[in-house]
Amino acid sequence: DSGVTQTPKHLITATGQRVTLRCSPRSGDLSVYWYQQSLDQGLQFLIQYYNGEERAKGNILERFSAQQFPDLHSELNLSSLELGDSALYFCASSVGQGENSPLHFGNGTRLTVT
Amino acid sequence: AQSVAQPEDQVNVAEGNPLTVKCTYSVSGNPYLFWYVQYPNRGLQFLLKYITGDNLVKGSYGFEAEFNKSQTSFHLKKPSALVSDSALYFCAVRNSGAGSYQLTFGKGTKLSVIP
Repeated sequence: DSGVTQTPKHLITATGQRVTLRCSPRSGDLSVYWYQQSLDQGLQFLIQYYNGEERAKGNILERFSAQQFPDLHSELNLSSLELGDSALYFCASSVGQGENSPLHFGNGTRLTVT
Repeated sequence: AQSVAQPEDQVNVAEGNPLTVKCTYSVSGNPYLFWYVQYPNRGLQFLLKYITGDNLVKGSYGFEAEFNKSQTSFHLKKPSALVSDSALYFCAVRNSGAGSYQLTFGKGTKLSVIP
């Protein structure tokens, strides 16, 4: 068990809808990362927060947004969903800002857009 | 920009034989390199990392990896494969420069250990 908790485990929704994915980092970790994993794109970095502030941004669509709250949990909001957004969404956490400390991953949220 | 290449989508090896999963990287500065393993329906688990120092790094479950700067490679190895090693393996790289936080993953290599 990595100590990173993601909810829900599964999410099925329709195109055009909006969903929120939640992540609680490992105790003591200040950084939270979001990744999208799909068969054709592999593991894509979306965004990183450190202690409530955005630290790095990857291939995150404008329809997607995230935030990290004062208690350090994070939410990833996906709106105007399209079929192509169906994927596994992983949250990870690390102690520092990610220089050389490993990431600890949750078990992911599987999103299916129909 | 930084990138990782895992040239083999799948590697098959017999139980008890040595295994190698290949990884090459591209980064503008000095690299921080990582290997992760993913079992079905689970998140990625950290195996080992190279930051600096000895080119041969040892990690969890008997895995090791060798950093080769001239070949920009970081191949994952294990002397004797177990059936339980069957999983998806990811190599990842980060630029060690200040302000570089993004960790870039390869597309993964599926390792199958045959009994």
